[in-house]
Amino acid sequence: KAGVTQTPRYLIKTRGQQVTLSCSPISGHRSVSWYQQTPGQGLQFLFEYFSETQRNKGNFPGRFSGRQFSNSRSEMNVSTLELGDSALYLCASASGEVTDTQYFGPGTRLTVL
Amino acid sequence: AQSVAQPEDQVNVAEGNPLTVKCTYSVSGNPYLFWYVQYPNRGLQFLLKYITGDNLVKGSYGFEAEFNKSQTSFHLKKPSALVSDSALYFCAVRDLSGANNLFFGTGTRLTVIP
Repeated sequence: KAGVTQTPRYLIKTRGQQVTLSCSPISGHRSVSWYQQTPGQGLQFLFEYFSETQRNKGNFPGRFSGRQFSNSRSEMNVSTLELGDSALYLCASASGEVTDTQYFGPGTRLTVL
Repeated sequence: AQSVAQPEDQVNVAEGNPLTVKCTYSVSGNPYLFWYVQYPNRGLQFLLKYITGDNLVKGSYGFEAEFNKSQTSFHLKKPSALVSDSALYFCAVRDLSGANNLFFGTGTRLTVIP
């Protein structure tokens, strides 16, 4: 089975711009979660989508949003970028069962200048 | 609320020696615990998980972890360390509120010295 793919792998943006990141989960998986990883804050949960519905959301401002399509692919969007948004954004795929394992993609490295 | 703690930022071990990376947890209810490893500029790779059953869980690449309910710990172990085990290790606990997200520890950097 192919793993979780994320595109693009690297992005450079300037403050005030917006960005869209994409995640394709493992075939058959209906849950996609997004995490932000920074040296200062570590790994923090952004949101989870399951069957096109946002099931849970972390403590991030409304500038961070996401969606999931009928084929389970997911996108996350960050509007009005700030310097502090520079991070590795990780997508995780799972079946959706609470005991299931989340499998992570390679991440998108976002740099905001 | 669920949380995990990794008390050591850095662990150094000689190649061939046993290694332990520590993790303690705090949950209300039965814990679902995970270990992941991250290599430079890569995502997280799943190593193993504890859901229920045997307290000793075996995972990928020769790693295992021991679940200890009385000490609320879930330490990662390997009998003989390899230089290629050098990486960043994360312990995580599943959110039990009905969602699917994980709460991660701060990570432990393991360095295996040749």
